[in-house]
Amino acid sequence: QSALTQPASVSGSPGQSITISCTGTSSDVGGDNYVAWYQLHPGKAPKLMIYDVSNRPSGVSIRFSGSKSGNTASLTISGLQTEDEADYYCTSYTSISTWVFGGGTRLTVL
Amino acid sequence: EVQLVESGGGLVQPGRSLRLSCTASGFIFGDYTMGWFRQAPGKGLEWVGFIRSKLSAGTTQYAASVRGRFTVSRDDSKSVVYLQMNSLKTEDTAVYYCTKMSGSYADWGQGTLVTVSS
Repeated sequence: QSALTQPASVSGSPGQSITISCTGTSSDVGGDNYVAWYQLHPGKAPKLMIYDVSNRPSGVSIRFSGSKSGNTASLTISGLQTEDEADYYCTSYTSISTWVFGGGTRLTVL
Repeated sequence: EVQLVESGGGLVQPGRSLRLSCTASGFIFGDYTMGWFRQAPGKGLEWVGFIRSKLSAGTTQYAASVRGRFTVSRDDSKSVVYLQMNSLKTEDTAVYYCTKMSGSYADWGQGTLVTVSS
C-alpha cells in the first residue's frame, strides 16, 4: 500500500481536460510545498512534470498544471493529446525527511 | 546541462553485495543533495535514500525497506555518488536511478538495472 493515494486510472478524449488527485496527510502533502509529479513511459526514465506543487520545469508543456488544497495535490492536463498517455506518479517530502510516492495513475487517451 | 550516469548494475545472488556509482556533470556537485530512487519490474516508483551536501552536514536518510542494508555516500572531488547495497534480496530487483535534488525538483539519470536472483 502506497503512502499517497492516487486513482488507479483516469481517461479522457483528445482535447479534454483531466485531473489526477494525490491524497496524503498533514505530514507530507499537507506540509511543506515539496510535491512533484512524474510522467512514466515504459522503458524510459521518469520525466518531471511539476515540482514544488505548481512549478513547471523548462520544456514541459503549459497544458500541465499542479495545485494543492489541504492534504490533496492535483495534476491537471488540459487539451489532452495522445502522447500524454502514460503513468503519472505524485511524490511528497515528509516531516521525517523521507520521500513518499503515490501508487501511480494510468492515463488513457481514448 | 545536468548529466547523471549510473553504472555498476547487473545480476547478483541474494545475500550478496553490489555498489552502484553515479557520475555527475554540468553543475556544482558539492552544493546539492543527491538521491537514489528505484522502480521494480511492473511496480511504481520508490525512494531509496539520499545524502545531503557537506554544507548541510552530509547527512543521509533511507527508506525503511533498505535501512541498515544500503548506504549512500559521495565523493565531491570526483562528482560521484555511490549506493552500497548489502544483503540483497530478490525484492531489491529494480532499475535504480540517481537524482540531483533541489526541493522537489530532481534531475534523473537513465538508470541501471539490478537483478537479484540465484
